[in-house]
Amino acid sequence: EVQLVESGGGLVQPGGSLRLSCAVSGFTFSTYSMNWVRQAPGKGLEWVSYVSTSSSTIYYADSVKGRFTISRDNAKKSLYLQMNSLRAEDTAVYYCARTDAFDMWGQGTMVTVSS
Amino acid sequence: QAVLTQPSSLSASPGTSASLTCTLRSGFDVGTYRIYWYQQKPGSPPQYLLRYKSDSDKHQGSGVPSRFFGSKDASANAGILVISGLQSEDEADYYCMIWHNSASVFGTGTKVTVL
Repeated sequence: EVQLVESGGGLVQPGGSLRLSCAVSGFTFSTYSMNWVRQAPGKGLEWVSYVSTSSSTIYYADSVKGRFTISRDNAKKSLYLQMNSLRAEDTAVYYCARTDAFDMWGQGTMVTVSS
Repeated sequence: QAVLTQPSSLSASPGTSASLTCTLRSGFDVGTYRIYWYQQKPGSPPQYLLRYKSDSDKHQGSGVPSRFFGSKDASANAGILVISGLQSEDEADYYCMIWHNSASVFGTGTKVTVL
């Protein structure tokens, strides 16, 4: 069974940092590109970042460029999102999603940026 | 103006067909894009439904019933998700998505109510 499990969310003050993780199982992680997608409370979906299988290609949404860093560890079957300089508007559920089709999603982890 | 615009809501009766539109902003030619569709029920992550570019370039998500299918209306510059034989379990939010210039863009979302 394919599983993606996010962790690392929580409450952080504006300007603070968090590192999200996504642990996967049930498929060969190293052969799939991965993404982070977020959803603010009561709002729609917003793509955040993409990483290719070997990490050679990385893309970011303009809203997070320069503040967030996506990475992956194929040996650990894990995807990461380092989030720095957090703002109130970064408050959202963060999902990891598989491939450029987002064909599989995790359950999400909530990030709240508030003082 | 959003790149991908969807009607905010749609209501239909069980057993009928519902057509959800995803209109691309001027300057974005629907014929050149693969359009992806997702279903999201309250409290759950999105689920991949299908991808449609043309009848020769399409993909149905694993386990997704064939009563969900995609099409395009070139004259309206829109992608369309058709749900035939609407069921109560189809009540959900639906999002379209494209990739443009190395960035993923989601539509504004449509809330489908089954009366």
